Amino acid sequence: AQKITQTQPGMFVQEKEAVTLDCTYDTSDPSYGLFWYKQPSSGEMIFLIYQGSYDQQNATEGRYSLNFQKARKSANLVISASQLGDSAMYFCAMREGTDSWGKLQFGAGTQVVVTP
Amino acid sequence: NAGVTQTPKFQVLKTGQSMTLQCAQDMNHEYMSWYRQDPGMGLRLIHYSVGAGITDQGEVPNGYNVSRSTTEDFPLRLLSAAPSQTSVYFCASSYRIFETQYFGPGTRLLVL
Repeated sequence: AQKITQTQPGMFVQEKEAVTLDCTYDTSDPSYGLFWYKQPSSGEMIFLIYQGSYDQQNATEGRYSLNFQKARKSANLVISASQLGDSAMYFCAMREGTDSWGKLQFGAGTQVVVTP
Repeated sequence: NAGVTQTPKFQVLKTGQSMTLQCAQDMNHEYMSWYRQDPGMGLRLIHYSVGAGITDQGEVPNGYNVSRSTTEDFPLRLLSAAPSQTSVYFCASSYRIFETQYFGPGTRLLVL
């Protein structure tokens, strides 16, 4: 069963606008972490933001914020004031506390294109 | 800090050849891992290590070996390359097993 679902395969956003990337997850583990990574066309995976399942407040990192709705099992990424350099594939990932491998489980990704 | 480094960036192999993908980190991270990224299948864990001298298999370990003789290095060996191993390979590391993983730039491998 898919653990991480990203329903938006691609989206266009105008420069300086905010964009929300959807992510829902499925776990019965009470302890888990949620991550967002950015993969530009150059191919590297860049860590953006982390939210722990026990964190009371939504995570923020500069222009990135995570809208964490635990009851809905949702962890949407909000990018404020989009820039041309934000054009990339964005992946949501989860790590479950009981996973002895420590592996990250990734969604299929959302391709974001920022237009001038 | 250089972070996580991987070499080579690109490699073309013939079926049956062997090679080693190098991964190194200078952040004194205990946990290191290898993933492969295939279109439509996301990233899948190949092998991981929780410290020097300790390695274990992930989801898709067949055809790959790893070793961890030092904290810094975690090479991935392809024993006898097959076209099904054509992929992009990422090495990642974190301070401990359940902390944020940082990825290297990736190695793009083509097996003919």
